[in-house]
Formats: sequence, structure tokens, C-alpha cells
Amino acid sequence: AAGVIQSPRHLIKEKRETATLKCYPIPRHDTVYWYQQGPGQDPQFLISFYEKMQSDKGSIPDRFSAQQFSDYHSELNMSSLELGDSALYFCASDRRGVSEQFFGPGTRLTVL
Amino acid sequence: GQQLNQSPQSMFIQEGEDVSMNCTSSSIFNTWLWYKQDPGEGPVLLIALYKAGELTSNGRLTAQFGITRKDSFLNISASIPSDVGIYFCASLVDFGNEKLTFGTGTRLTIIP
Repeated sequence: AAGVIQSPRHLIKEKRETATLKCYPIPRHDTVYWYQQGPGQDPQFLISFYEKMQSDKGSIPDRFSAQQFSDYHSELNMSSLELGDSALYFCASDRRGVSEQFFGPGTRLTVL
Repeated sequence: GQQLNQSPQSMFIQEGEDVSMNCTSSSIFNTWLWYKQDPGEGPVLLIALYKAGELTSNGRLTAQFGITRKDSFLNISASIPSDVGIYFCASLVDFGNEKLTFGTGTRLTIIP
């Protein structure tokens, strides 16, 4: 079965640079979620989209923005990167009415 | 925000042993999900629970949704080496399409 696809899997950036993470949800899933997981931590919710509209917002820095496109894929844009942004970033998707979020393999972002 | 307390934090067991972990909250939830995460990978959904008192199995895994709707447990029978990883409970207040609140995780290690 098709799973959530994330790219890139690994990303190394310098401080103050920008990064774009991409997420392709499972086919027919209309909702996308972004989570950040620091070392030894549980995933923390950043932002979600349903039918291309932002549906919820968590502890996402103002330096980050995201959107969902007409094909339902989503991109997380991160600017003015800081050392503390180094983490695993996961995208998850589900279909409205079904409470089961499926996670992608994640993007490991390292900020030097 | 809402917190899920998961215990134990870590477990060291021998292959073949049974495992039990639980998740508690001071708030009522309507959905409980259990995930397993391998290092550097995305969480994989194991079991979803939707009704108080519900008991659901997935192979050697069994999970229950507590009657009070404030707790859940996960049992693994006859553990095998591939069970090693971090197990997270996660909950939703509503019946879907909202951010997950994760537990603090239980790290399972199998001693040779």
C-alpha cells in the first residue's frame, strides 16, 4: 500500500539559511499534519491542513510557514534557520472522518 | 497543554517475555492510538481504539481503551527482537482530523 512520502530524507543547512520540506500524503487522504521531534522527545504538532486550508496551528515559529497544494501535497518552509531547529520533521496524513494518522519516514534537518 | 503520562519510561526484557505499558491522562479522550517508532524512522500505527472499554488485538499486540476514557494500555505477548523500539500512545479529543497529543514514550530493549 502507498505510504506518506517525504523529501528530502536528510538536509544539512547553515544558520540563517532557508529550507523547504515536502510531503506527499497517502492517495485520497485530504488532511496533512506536520510534527517536529527533537532528540529523545515525542513528536510535537506544528500545523495542519484540510482541503488546502490551514485547519490547526501548534507551536510553529513565525519563521516557518506551510501550505497544501491542489494535489494535496504540502510544503513546510523554514527561514532564518537556528541551531535549535535541528530535528526530525514528520508529515502525517489522514482522511476526514477517519481518526488514524499515518506518518511519513521523516526529514532529518541538521542546522550547523 | 494536555499531557499523556506513559509508563514505564523504559523496559529491559528477555526474548519471549510479555510486555505491558500504559498511558494515563487527566483529560478525557475519545480516540487512543498506539504507535511504534524505530530510530530515525516515522511512527508506525499499531492499533486504534475508539470506544471506552474496547479491547483490540493486532497479532501479538493487544490494546484497551480505559473505561474512564483517561487511560489505555498496550500488551505485547512473547516478545521477539523486532519488537525493540519506542512505543508511543497518542490521543485525540475529538473523533479525528485534529492534532495528536503524544505520550512520553516507552523504550523497549530486549536483552540477549
